[in-house]
Amino acid sequence: QQQVKQSPQSLIVQKGGIPIINCAYENTAFDYFPWYQQFPGKGPALLIAIRPDVSEKKEGRFTISFNKSAKQFSLHIMDSQPGDSATYFCAASMLGAQKLVFGQGTRLTINP
Amino acid sequence: DGGITQSPKYLFRKEGQNVTLSCEQNLNHDAMYWYRQDPGQGLRLIYYSQIVNDFQKGDIAEGYSVSREKKESFPLTVTSAQKNPTAFYLCASSMGFGYGYTFGSGTRLTVV
Repeated sequence: QQQVKQSPQSLIVQKGGIPIINCAYENTAFDYFPWYQQFPGKGPALLIAIRPDVSEKKEGRFTISFNKSAKQFSLHIMDSQPGDSATYFCAASMLGAQKLVFGQGTRLTINP
Repeated sequence: DGGITQSPKYLFRKEGQNVTLSCEQNLNHDAMYWYRQDPGQGLRLIYYSQIVNDFQKGDIAEGYSVSREKKESFPLTVTSAQKNPTAFYLCASSMGFGYGYTFGSGTRLTVV
């Protein structure tokens, strides 16, 4: 119940395409869902986060879609660029918890 | 600028030796975490601490030890009992629930 399942494991998209990364969870007590972006040899950086009281959140070219009934959330990258090539991690947490539960990561490659 | 500093960036250790990885933050965050990342893999929690002088084991604590004598510092010792220590080690901190993590830039440990 503490797991967050992330898919796909790897994804290759042409420049300008819209990569979509999906995450699913079981624990309905989760109510904070961040996404992290990690470049090779660097630490992950917080990209965008959502709470379940909204169904969508946009920050620049990055959008989180949240489906509470399906217990799923996804990251969309509009007008993707080669510089977006990185590993992306979804995560989840709940009120009172001090730990995030991370997905396994998606290695995204944007071809020029 | 506030942030998390991990040092050194690269570390080489002979088999049978203990080695300590440094993690310092000036964000005034209460919680700190250590993760291990293997090539192409996700993030695995080693230890975490919510307050000074208190810490809890994560999912893969065997062969590791930590201390939290100061709010700003959370060093990780990789002991000789850790059978496969070669990995990328990431330190993170958090203000608390709902704020996500701030990660350091990592230490790459290689056993030679």
